[in-house]
Amino acid sequence: GAVVSQHPSRVICKSGTSVKIECRSLDFQATTMFWYRQFPKKSLMLMATSNEGSKATYEQGVEKDKFLINHASLTLSTLTVTSAHPEDSSFYICSASTGADQPQHFGDGTRLSIL
Amino acid sequence: QKEVEQNSGPLSVPEGAIASLNCTYSDRGSQSFFWYRQYSGKSPELIMFIYSNGDKEDGRFTAQLNKASQYVSLLIRDSQPSDSATYLCAVNSGGGADGLTFGKGTHLIIQP
Repeated sequence: GAVVSQHPSRVICKSGTSVKIECRSLDFQATTMFWYRQFPKKSLMLMATSNEGSKATYEQGVEKDKFLINHASLTLSTLTVTSAHPEDSSFYICSASTGADQPQHFGDGTRLSIL
Repeated sequence: QKEVEQNSGPLSVPEGAIASLNCTYSDRGSQSFFWYRQYSGKSPELIMFIYSNGDKEDGRFTAQLNKASQYVSLLIRDSQPSDSATYLCAVNSGGGADGLTFGKGTHLIIQP
């Protein structure tokens, strides 16, 4: 149980392109989903908390107009990196929880490379 | 500023021995504590979680929490080469409804 699917697993694209990443909870409903980013040899950093049907809450220093988050249903959240640049290249990982007192389960991550 | 500190390692342990991983956190109001395992290039995989002071055992893994000392640890008994990975300590102030603050991870190497 508690399977989180993330797609695509890898993206390579040119600078200026917008990239959409999907995160789905396959066997449970996730009221809240989370988006993290991890640079090489660094810890995971929370980017934003995504709540179904409402605006995402972004962490300090994360540009909400650059990283668009949509959580349209209880099983799907999307992260769109708009006008991506090489410095946005990173490992993006989503997670979801089955409930307020339950641990988060992570998707397989998306490795984004901007040329 | 919430901080989670871990020794980055590498921590080298002989196969069959006990591996001990440690973590301290700064937010005294933290309520939930998690250990994740991350293989290179992969996303984190949940190993253990603990909410109350004391020990919690699951198979070869034991999580230990001491809120007074703001300290959480993970013991791996009968270490196997497949346990070689980076172990991430994560903390949040509530339950799953809050984002996690991660440590930088401890790189564990189990020597055959």
